[in-house]
Amino acid sequence: EAQLVESGGGLVRPGGSLKLSCEVSGFTFSGTALHWVRQPPGKGLEWVGRIRTKPNNHATDYGTSVQGRFTISRDDLKNMAYLQMNSLKKEDTAVYYCGSGGDLVADILLWGQGTLVTVSS
Amino acid sequence: EIVMTQSPLSLPVTPGEPASFSCRSSQSLLHSDGYNYLDWYLQRPGQSPQLLIFLGSNRASGVPDRFSGSGSDTDFTLKISRVQPEDVGVYYCMQTLQTPLTFGPGTRVEIK
Repeated sequence: EAQLVESGGGLVRPGGSLKLSCEVSGFTFSGTALHWVRQPPGKGLEWVGRIRTKPNNHATDYGTSVQGRFTISRDDLKNMAYLQMNSLKKEDTAVYYCGSGGDLVADILLWGQGTLVTVSS
Repeated sequence: EIVMTQSPLSLPVTPGEPASFSCRSSQSLLHSDGYNYLDWYLQRPGQSPQLLIFLGSNRASGVPDRFSGSGSDTDFTLKISRVQPEDVGVYYCMQTLQTPLTFGPGTRVEIK
């Protein structure tokens, strides 16, 4: 069964850092792009960013509110993707989902269950 | 950045009846390849989002045929031919034409 499982969420102080992981199984991860999408409590979805496949140089793109603070990486041999979050703000509090999809068209076909990140003093 | 809007933000529906809602983009989503780069997702209560429609009008694998997407350029519609109880949730449109990808605010569908 194809699935994605996020981990690494928790409580962090403003200004701190946290690294989320996304473990992929049941399909060929190296052939798909990997997205991160977040959802603040009770609010809508916000695209965080994406990392493309090796043929596309593992290119990354980011949302406006996280550009320069967040970094997406991947290890195709381990079937893992990561979201490094630095300089965290209270407004980064959200459930963070990883999702996989096509490399040419950015549909998110398969989603994880999400992990909660709380930024609070 | 492309701004997405949706209407209505809330929609009470009756099971067995049709429903439709709108999504608009601040600029055209029509690519030179002829496709509209617009997706629809459903997030049921307590669940992760799921892809319903991609490239404006194509149903994702396993999506019932009561769901249909239409529209072009900046104006799109998602229709449910006969609403079922399991269709309750929030429907989001998302543009995939250019990064940053952007979602609409969502339309919350609830049973009357």
